[in-house]
Amino acid sequence: AQRVTQPEKLLSVFKGAPVELKCNYSYSGSPELFWYVQYSRQRLQLLLRHISRESIKGFTADLNKGETSFHLKKPFAQEEDSAMYYCALRRHQGGKLIFGQGTELSVKP
Amino acid sequence: GAGVSQSPSNKVTEKGKDVELRCDPISGHTALYWYRQSLGQGLEFLIYFQGNSAPDKSGLPSDRFSAERTGGSVSTLTIQRTQQEDSAVYLCASSLMTDSYEQYFGPGTRLTVT
Repeated sequence: AQRVTQPEKLLSVFKGAPVELKCNYSYSGSPELFWYVQYSRQRLQLLLRHISRESIKGFTADLNKGETSFHLKKPFAQEEDSAMYYCALRRHQGGKLIFGQGTELSVKP
Repeated sequence: GAGVSQSPSNKVTEKGKDVELRCDPISGHTALYWYRQSLGQGLEFLIYFQGNSAPDKSGLPSDRFSAERTGGSVSTLTIQRTQQEDSAVYLCASSLMTDSYEQYFGPGTRLTVT
């Protein structure tokens, strides 16, 4: 079965602290992995995808096929990073996204 | 340019009534997706369209739910005989093609069934 698991509902850190949002997946094949973010009163939007291997807003995520994980990391959290973060996967040919339950990140001053 | 738009933004309906939710995708986007965001269930896929056909309807929770897309553009999600468990935010997304990596989301329609 295809599944995405985000074990933390809420992650609270202080500004400047490192942050890691966990994501594990199960999929029989080679999926594409994404992180989507929803800031308060804004639309859900793409943050990054594993294929591009880029850093967006200081965030990075590495696909670990052995551990079937795609954790999102940032070395120094900022208050403006406070948002809901969703990990998602889809098959290579495209189509629907399968989302995790989401993790609310709260960055305190 | 204009992003994905959805209407209405909020809908309150009585249990048992039918509702229609509308999605206008980004112009030129051939793929259109419906998702549902509810407490306890997170973000769930409902159905997606490539052009006017729906290759994957696997996420529709019951036969009370249906969707159509006409002219390869606007889509309507219809819920018949609404139940309280249908209360959720219904999100629409579009992408240029099915295998395009980014889906662009609309603001959602918040449905409340009383």
